[in-house]
Amino acid sequence: DQQVKQNSPSLSVQEGRISILNCDYTNSMFDYFLWYKKYPAEGPTFLISISSIKDKNEDGRFTVFLNKSAKHLSLHIVPSQPGDSAVYFCAASAGSFNKFYFGSGTKLNVKP
Amino acid sequence: DVKVTQSSRYLVKRTGEKVFLECVQDMDHENMFWYRQDPGLGLRLIYFSYDVKMKEKGDIPEGYSVSREKKERFSLILESASTNQTSMYLCASSLPLQETQYFGPGTRLLVL
Repeated sequence: DQQVKQNSPSLSVQEGRISILNCDYTNSMFDYFLWYKKYPAEGPTFLISISSIKDKNEDGRFTVFLNKSAKHLSLHIVPSQPGDSAVYFCAASAGSFNKFYFGSGTKLNVKP
Repeated sequence: DVKVTQSSRYLVKRTGEKVFLECVQDMDHENMFWYRQDPGLGLRLIYFSYDVKMKEKGDIPEGYSVSREKKERFSLILESASTNQTSMYLCASSLPLQETQYFGPGTRLLVL
């Protein structure tokens, strides 16, 4: 059973608007969360992370929010750009950076 | 700039063949990982290695083995390929205690 779930396989957003990608997890021991971005024919690349001691982390246009009580995190991209079109994976770990559990990914399409 | 390379982008093998997938990283990273990516399931960890000749099983090690004779190289071996091993295989590397993993472009394996 997947411990990290991304229930939206795809998302389409207009350029300049906000993109919100969601991720849910079941393991309350998870204490570190990451988002990766993947372009076709390339490996995933690290985007942003958040520790469980925080509820928000910002990096430029990207913000990750963590709601521990709901076991939910989200990635906000503002404003969205066509170059953001990619598959986004969330990942979680419990006390060890050697083992991350990945979600199934959300394919974001930002329309010009 | 970290580079992780994988020996093949596409591979077609027959059932029962022994298959070697090679991964090389150039950043002197101690940790190396093998994942498989399947639709709807995200990335699942097969094996990881935290040092030369050291390895640990991930979530789905059955049917696979690994070899790490040199720090920069981590090989995934399918002892007797089966059709359910048709997948995208991704290699990654990281420094100890660092959350960011650097991924290769992936090898798409088709087992007929």
